[in-house]
Amino acid sequence: QKEVEQDPGPLSVPEGAIVSLNCTYSNSAFQYFMWYRQYSRKGPELLMYTYSSGNKEDGRFTAQVDKSSKYISLFIRDSQPSDSATYLCAMSANYGGSQGNLIFGKGTKLSVKP
Amino acid sequence: ETGVTQTPRHLVMGMTNKKSLKCEQHLGHNAMYWYKQSAKKPLELMFVYNFKEQTENNSVPSRFSPECPNSSHLFLHLHTLQPEDSALYLCASSFMTGAVTNYGYTFGSGTRLTVV
Repeated sequence: QKEVEQDPGPLSVPEGAIVSLNCTYSNSAFQYFMWYRQYSRKGPELLMYTYSSGNKEDGRFTAQVDKSSKYISLFIRDSQPSDSATYLCAMSANYGGSQGNLIFGKGTKLSVKP
Repeated sequence: ETGVTQTPRHLVMGMTNKKSLKCEQHLGHNAMYWYKQSAKKPLELMFVYNFKEQTENNSVPSRFSPECPNSSHLFLHLHTLQPEDSALYLCASSFMTGAVTNYGYTFGSGTRLTVV
């Protein structure tokens, strides 16, 4: 079993839809969970992060972590064509990232149609 | 443009060539990373540098040789590559402590490498 599983999609939705992106993981030591957004021909950029279980909201974006199920989600409300990108989940067991211990999913390609 | 600049943006090289990728960060970070991004695969960590010292080499073949002359610059020297090395090579930087969460990694736009 891979450490982090993420459906690569592609996922196509109409403008205004609620989008749900998900990752599952196997390592129960993971405590820090992140979502990165990668536009075409660009590097990933940090979108949201959460620590341990719970929800975090930032504008139209909500990140959820369910450690008991080893499952994390990113919800996008009122999706816009500008949200079209690849979304990568990432997670880590340790607070310090300099050891390169951030584990990424494959990324889900999202397309929001006008 | 982000605070991490990578050059060149695109590179086509033969298997016998020698080339170098360059990364520069203007964010005052003290850790830098090389990642490989291939289609339908997760980001693969290649190398980590903290304060110019290499702290991780993730079983990368010796045909990839990193160099970090200072905290702001990172190079990846390439020689005798294989076609399967074709990928997007991403450079990232962060603060050494608390980097995973509070600040995250800042990525460059990458170098799209094609080995022919």
